[in-house]
Amino acid sequence: DAGVIQSPRHEVTEMGQEVTLRCKPISGHNSLFWYRQTMMRGLELLIYFNNNVPIDDSGMPEDRFSAKMPNASFSTLKIQPSEPRDSAVYFCASRVYTMGGSPGEAFFGQGTRLTVV
Amino acid sequence: DAKTTQPPSMDCAEGRAANLPCNHSTISGNEYVYWYRQIHSQGPQYIIHGLKNNETNEMASLIITEDRKSSTLILPHATLRDTAVYYCIVRATGNQFYFGTGTSLTVIP
Repeated sequence: DAGVIQSPRHEVTEMGQEVTLRCKPISGHNSLFWYRQTMMRGLELLIYFNNNVPIDDSGMPEDRFSAKMPNASFSTLKIQPSEPRDSAVYFCASRVYTMGGSPGEAFFGQGTRLTVV
Repeated sequence: DAKTTQPPSMDCAEGRAANLPCNHSTISGNEYVYWYRQIHSQGPQYIIHGLKNNETNEMASLIITEDRKSSTLILPHATLRDTAVYYCIVRATGNQFYFGTGTSLTVIP
């Protein structure tokens, strides 16, 4: 398995532009997570999905951020409009989740480094 | 959610065992202890997890105290490639993984 695949690896955009980050989870994994990492705030959980359904988006910083998971093999994180303070590394992770079952490890992608100028 | 406390940084000589402590005094009975590490510019990598008993795998050993209020991750023979930030996480109720600030481990030649 190729692991969690994120694209693009690097993105530079101008303030005010729309940015879309993409994630392909590991096949067979039914939970997907989006994290953001900055020097100031560390790794922050933004949102996670179980079986393609958003469960907790309390970490999404504001309405400019939105995430979707149209099917089990694809998710997007969109920022519209983007601002310089959104500059960070965005990670996607996936795992197998069964309610009440033994928890398994989460596998992370290599991240997307976003720079908003 | 149980919170964790880790030292911000540690050094270890190459070839020696690295012992990374973590305090989680408010852990609940059904919460697991997970360890991840993040090598510079890469995504976090799973290392090991446990509930009550000590655990060992090809990467590390996890020692959990009997009262479960603290744990230690042991890298038996540290190499330069083990230089990374190590995160101790107590699994929240539900499915979330929340990362703290971790311990920055530097393996010295």
